[in-house]
Amino acid sequence: NAGVTQTPKFRVLKTGQSMTLLCAQDMNHEYMYWYRQDPGMGLRLIHYSVGEGTTAKGEVPDGYNVSRLKKQNFLLGLESAAPSQTSVYFCASSYSTTGHTQYFGPGTRLTVL
Amino acid sequence: GDSVTQMEGPVTLSEEAFLTINCTYTATGYPSLFWYVQYPGEGLQLLLKATKADDKGSNKGFEATYRKETTSFHLEKGSVQVSDSAVYFCALRLSSGSARQLTFGSGTQLTVLP
Repeated sequence: NAGVTQTPKFRVLKTGQSMTLLCAQDMNHEYMYWYRQDPGMGLRLIHYSVGEGTTAKGEVPDGYNVSRLKKQNFLLGLESAAPSQTSVYFCASSYSTTGHTQYFGPGTRLTVL
Repeated sequence: GDSVTQMEGPVTLSEEAFLTINCTYTATGYPSLFWYVQYPGEGLQLLLKATKADDKGSNKGFEATYRKETTSFHLEKGSVQVSDSAVYFCALRLSSGSARQLTFGSGTQLTVLP
């Protein structure tokens, strides 16, 4: 049982490049989330999904797209990276019932030059 | 909107000292409250939680009590260890809504010196 895994762990991009971050969970969770963590700002929700085939915007969705084609995977895409997207990205997942806990992946550190 | 305000850090303590990290919240409805811990180079882990007023969450010697009257959820530990050095995040989650997403405070860096 690996829990929540993220790939890659580190990445450096140039402005304008694109990339996809992969999140996978093996706990059969319905809900999945993408957060970004910036110094002094805690974690902010980018996008989330309440089930396979569904996605929704969070607090800071601009510049990102997501897809949930399979229940266990949640992809975060940057079509044209900007320096403001330099951050640490965390994926999380949880059950759909009330009272569940969010489980976090180890994070992806992204630098955009 | 909903928000969480945490005591600003960094906090530096000697081993066996008493720890308090303050957390207050603003929310509509009746949120659940959480403390998450992030060790260096790792993701966040749930430390403890409380789902209703006057509940006390506890784990690994840490405690926090859900105080509705003061909208607070302060984290305490009687005797910290070097291994407690980490970043601590207070968070809330509303009991209604489809996403069940967490709203986090800005985090408090704790360093415990031997």
